[in-house]
Parts: sequence; C-alpha cells; structure tokens
Amino acid sequence: GNSVTQMEGPVTLSEEAFLTINCTYTATGYPSLFWYVQYPGEGLQLLLKATKADDKGSNKGFEATYRKETTSFHLEKGSVQVSDSAVYFCALSDQETSGSRLTFGEGTQLTVNP
Amino acid sequence: SAVISQKPSRDICQRGTSLTIQCQVDSQVTMMFWYRQQPGQSLTLIATANQGSEATYESGFVIDKFPISRPNLTFSTLTVSNMSPEDSSIYLCSVSRSTGRGYFGPGTRLTVL
Repeated sequence: GNSVTQMEGPVTLSEEAFLTINCTYTATGYPSLFWYVQYPGEGLQLLLKATKADDKGSNKGFEATYRKETTSFHLEKGSVQVSDSAVYFCALSDQETSGSRLTFGEGTQLTVNP
Repeated sequence: SAVISQKPSRDICQRGTSLTIQCQVDSQVTMMFWYRQQPGQSLTLIATANQGSEATYESGFVIDKFPISRPNLTFSTLTVSNMSPEDSSIYLCSVSRSTGRGYFGPGTRLTVL
C-alpha cells in the first residue's frame, strides 16, 4: 500500500535559518505529492504540490521537488520566519490505486524563534 | 476550489453519548472523506462517503462506531457513537479535485470526558 514517512520532529530553528523537512514515500502507482501546513488553532491548508516527476512546487518561499528516483519530496525554505511556526504534513494521492484519498506523513512540528 | 464548512466547530461530550458532525460543501462532489486527527498525531482516513451508496471504511473503523450519511452531493454527516475519551480528536471533512489535491473543512474538535 501507499505510505509517507517524514523526518522525526520537532524542529526548532532561529529566524533566517535554512529549513529542510525530509519526506519519502512508497506508492505502487504514480502519485501526486503535497505539503500541507497547519498553523496553531487553524485548519489544514495546502502549501504546495507536484503532480509528476521532476516537478517543483513552490509557495511562500517554500519549495519541494518531486524526485522519483529517490521517492522523495523534501520541503525547503532558505530563510524561515517566526510566522512559519506550524505543523507540516507531507501527503500523497495515488489516483490509480487509492482514488482521491490522501495518505499523510506523521507531521513535523516547526518552531522558529526570533 | 472548494469551500467546506463543518458544524459544530467543537464540543465537549460525556462518555457513552453520540455526536453527529455535519459537513457542507459549496459545490457538488462525488466523494467526501472523513479524517481523524488524534492529539499530536497525523490525519487518518476514517471512511469515504459516496452519494447513493454505503460509505467505505478503512481498516480499524466500523460503521457501527462511525455511521455516515451522504444524502446529496454537497452534504455529509459523521456520527461518533458511544463515545469514550479515546475518541477525543479533531474530525475533518475533505473533498478532492482531479489532481488529487484535498480541500479540508476547519475541523470539529471533540473532547470526551
């Protein structure tokens, strides 16, 4: 079946530090990959997505590249801000094998200190 | 896009009672999904609700505990039955588009005492 594995958290950084959150996946088909963010007390929001190999998703300074050869979709940001403090979820959707349902990673709590 | 609303936004319930959560979407969708997010955990799919047919439950979830209704293409309900403190979670309604991207409701935060 499909699965998503995220780096163990939580992650604590100082403002303007470089961020990487690792995400690897297992899928039998050709999944679409997503990063969702959950800010404190808020709902789940799509941060970025990539639908095929070598696609790069980007939004709000965050980037992730769909790497089929390494089955990875690592999230990066060059300079984090306090306002980026949130929980980040990597997820996949495999239309061929599981329809439109999403499979989520464990989530990574990011705290950015001023 | 899709705008999803849920009611109630939160509730505190007594052990042994049931709570029905409503989900309303601003457009017609074929499938609606119900997820559970236990405290400090990730999202786990409970079931997929199709209009006009029985919901499809994931492993570990059963209809007697989580009955679902899907009376039309914009609305669904999830009932959490015979609640225990272990059911304390955020319950989220979701729909997907053709790219697989999911849209989520704001969630229902349930506390069972």
